[in-house]
Amino acid sequence: DAKTTQPTSMDCAEGRAANLPCNHSTISGNEYVYWYRQIHSQGPQYIIHGLKNNETNEMASLIITEDRKSSTLILPHATLRDTAVYYCIVRVVGGGSNYKLTFGKGTLLTVNP
Amino acid sequence: KAGVTQTPRYLIKTRGQQVTLSCSPISGHRSVSWYQQTPGQGLQFLFEYFSETQRNKGNFPGRFSGRQFSNSRSEMNVSTLELGDSALYLCASSYVAGGLETQYFGPGTRLLVL
Repeated sequence: DAKTTQPTSMDCAEGRAANLPCNHSTISGNEYVYWYRQIHSQGPQYIIHGLKNNETNEMASLIITEDRKSSTLILPHATLRDTAVYYCIVRVVGGGSNYKLTFGKGTLLTVNP
Repeated sequence: KAGVTQTPRYLIKTRGQQVTLSCSPISGHRSVSWYQQTPGQGLQFLFEYFSETQRNKGNFPGRFSGRQFSNSRSEMNVSTLELGDSALYLCASSYVAGGLETQYFGPGTRLLVL
């Protein structure tokens, strides 16, 4: 699976949009971008995933650049409960692929009142 | 649907003992993966089971083992516990839809080895 690079930490004001970047310059054509988050001492929570098109669900939006070398997770209206470590993971899926998630260090997002 | 459940949530053991952790996946999910999380090493993959067979394995010693039952419930066992085995052990169940697999994690079992 391709390696990802994320900032160590970010701050965001409550109610504002949080934009979390992820660099995956070595991504290959059959690799998807997945985002998880982990609130302190809880299990990671799936947020969203995408291949090349932008994706949106009830939790967040995922913007993937045209060359697929980077992506941004957007939390449109951050709340204090969104304070967590956010992990960007790139992996091959389907077709008998390895079902292992490789977590990096992620980005600690702190939402301030 | 109920989420992934793990029991026990907290456990204290002493060095040399063994421990068994249990994971019940989301109904309909057939794959169960286990991860270890420590402050120093972060989240690391232990192994993955599908249809009662270990399909993938991480780089952990043989003291770490697991199994999956016909109802997809899974257990992992750690024998001869060491202080460094103190960690949060996470279980994730997954399903495949449209060729894509998504893993959903349980709350974890926090193991302290004294």
